[in-house]
Amino acid sequence: AQTVTQSQPEMSVQEAETVTLSCTYDTSENNYYLFWYKQPPSRQMILVIRQEAYKQQNATENRFSVNFQKAAKSFSLKISDSQLGDTAMYFCAFMREQGGSEKLVFGKGTKLTVNP
Amino acid sequence: DAEITQSPRHKITETGRQVTLACHQTWNHNNMFWYRQDLGHGLRLIHYSYGVQDTNKGEVSDGYSVSRSNTEDLPLTLESAASSQTSVYFCASSEGSGGRRWNEQFFGPGTRLTVL
Repeated sequence: AQTVTQSQPEMSVQEAETVTLSCTYDTSENNYYLFWYKQPPSRQMILVIRQEAYKQQNATENRFSVNFQKAAKSFSLKISDSQLGDTAMYFCAFMREQGGSEKLVFGKGTKLTVNP
Repeated sequence: DAEITQSPRHKITETGRQVTLACHQTWNHNNMFWYRQDLGHGLRLIHYSYGVQDTNKGEVSDGYSVSRSNTEDLPLTLESAASSQTSVYFCASSEGSGGRRWNEQFFGPGTRLTVL
């Protein structure tokens, strides 16, 4: 079974600075997908960024980027120029490539606070 | 606009009562999922469905059941509510195969259930 570990229960950062959230996972699969979800106080789950395991290039979405290390099974999220609206819970998630089955396995989350 | 809704948004019930949480999506998605979110556990998969009349157990299915009689709805039933089932429940849906290697899961707003 796949497991996802987020070792940082809470983190804080000053507005406009950069912060990195860590995630490691365990799997015997070769093809899979990794995701970062954001959950603000509204509770809505929002997909921030995804990474396909077969792609060597790290994914980027505006201020959000990942450092994907397949051999180390590591998938960290970097938030640049942090904004107050980035305050949220962040969940790392894993999905096997099963042609449409799409079950997600989540980590326990990291609570990020952006301070003014 | 297409959307996924959950009702009720908040519910308080008593131990031993049967409770049903509704999930309705208007995307015509094949796949639907139920997760529960607890502090220190992230989101964990309860049940999922890949289409009408199809249901499958997830990681934490004991005490829960689902049925899929149409594409739009996947109600979650707690047969005899227990205090351990106090949680926030999220429904999600995704397109299904559609020839793509993966499909994004879209989440509902969540239902906060308290069992006294």
